Amino acid sequence: EPEVTQTPSHQVTQMGQEVILRCVPISNHLYFYWYRQILGQKVEFLVSFYNNEISEKSEIFDDQFSVERPDGSNFTLKIRSTKLEDSAMYFCASSRDRGRTGELFFGEGSRLTVL
Amino acid sequence: AQSVTQLGSHVSVSEGALVLLRCNYSSSVPPYLFWYVQYPNQGLQLLLKYTTGATLVKGINGFEAEFKKSETSFHLTKPSAHMSDAAEYFCALNAGNMLTFGGGTRLMVKP
Repeated sequence: EPEVTQTPSHQVTQMGQEVILRCVPISNHLYFYWYRQILGQKVEFLVSFYNNEISEKSEIFDDQFSVERPDGSNFTLKIRSTKLEDSAMYFCASSRDRGRTGELFFGEGSRLTVL
Repeated sequence: AQSVTQLGSHVSVSEGALVLLRCNYSSSVPPYLFWYVQYPNQGLQLLLKYTTGATLVKGINGFEAEFKKSETSFHLTKPSAHMSDAAEYFCALNAGNMLTFGGGTRLMVKP
């Protein structure tokens, strides 16, 4: 069964360092997302991406964050200069359809720890 | 604004007992509602969804949920819990093009 894969599963970094989280969405999906979950808090929407551009982003997704699809298969989330409060589980998701009924398929998550 | 509230961050049931996980929502447009499950060290997996039509929705693994507009609820139930149901369950709402999640409920199943 096709699945969304994420790497790394866990990354530890020093504050101020750049981090890139990678995702391989399901191959025939067109819409891509990043969500995050700070420990003990809700899963929060970060950004959606379609046709090589950001469709929507939340207030969390500030200038420190960027996304790209560099090679047609990978979908990456970059945090330019990590802060302690960026420590969280980051989930990538993809969907074939857009809109309110589209089912999102999630990866297993990448846990980021910022020291 | 949209929001989802899950009552009870932890629920414990005995094997074979009824499972009831509560979800209430607030939405300015007709909501599309989802339940996701997360097993340890795995991603979020869709259990079931309500879009339009029948308000009682059946999902995988014997779970079902009923959309009650008057109560703004979408509670998840299963008649008989199995040990394998132990996981974290998330209720989510889509009122646009993104999911808004509840805080999650960790289900524990006692033998």
